[in-house]
Amino acid sequence: GQNIDQPTEMTATEGAIVQINCTYQTSGFNGLFWYQQHAGEAPTFLSYNVLDGLEEKGRFSSFLSRSKGYSYLLLKELQMKDSASYLCAAMDSNYQLIWGAGTKLIIKP
Amino acid sequence: ETGVTQTPRHLVMGMTNKKSLKCEQHLGHNAMYWYKQSAKKPLELMFVYNFKEQTENNSVPSRFSPECPNSSHLFLHLHTLQPEDSALYLCASSQGRDGGNTIYFGEGSWLTVV
Repeated sequence: GQNIDQPTEMTATEGAIVQINCTYQTSGFNGLFWYQQHAGEAPTFLSYNVLDGLEEKGRFSSFLSRSKGYSYLLLKELQMKDSASYLCAAMDSNYQLIWGAGTKLIIKP
Repeated sequence: ETGVTQTPRHLVMGMTNKKSLKCEQHLGHNAMYWYKQSAKKPLELMFVYNFKEQTENNSVPSRFSPECPNSSHLFLHLHTLQPEDSALYLCASSQGRDGGNTIYFGEGSWLTVV
């Protein structure tokens, strides 16, 4: 079956770095997405990886290893506003998104 | 502002009521989606419309009925719902259905069935 695994909750300190991992098993692969969702708000797009390697966008970076079925989202210089849930989703061969349950990130001062 | 607008934002309905959720996208996209989001569970894809044609219905109970009159508007008609249907219902859109097309979500409609 198709599956996404990511930690349920993580805690980090303001100003620090945190890495949120995601492993996936899908029938075929057409890329991996990361979304951020603040409580009570819409999920918003952060990144899309389809090739192996690291993509950097300001304080956020996303990494993909297709051979390992693994991705991570790296957040640097954490700010209180980064407290949110982070959703990992892999696209299968039918272009269907398989979603993880999300990682709730708590930032402490 | 994501370009996808949902109304109402909050809805409380009884099990015998009939109500509708509305979604409008201002992004010029061709594909629209309804998702259900329950606490601590992955997003559940309910329906997909591509160029106004329904392309996916993921075994959703018939008490949920979608309607897509044009590429910009999507409705979810609700009737005789159950308490377990209480959740956040998210509308989304994308340019197409193939790889790399980012999905943009609306703010969601919080539904409580009493």
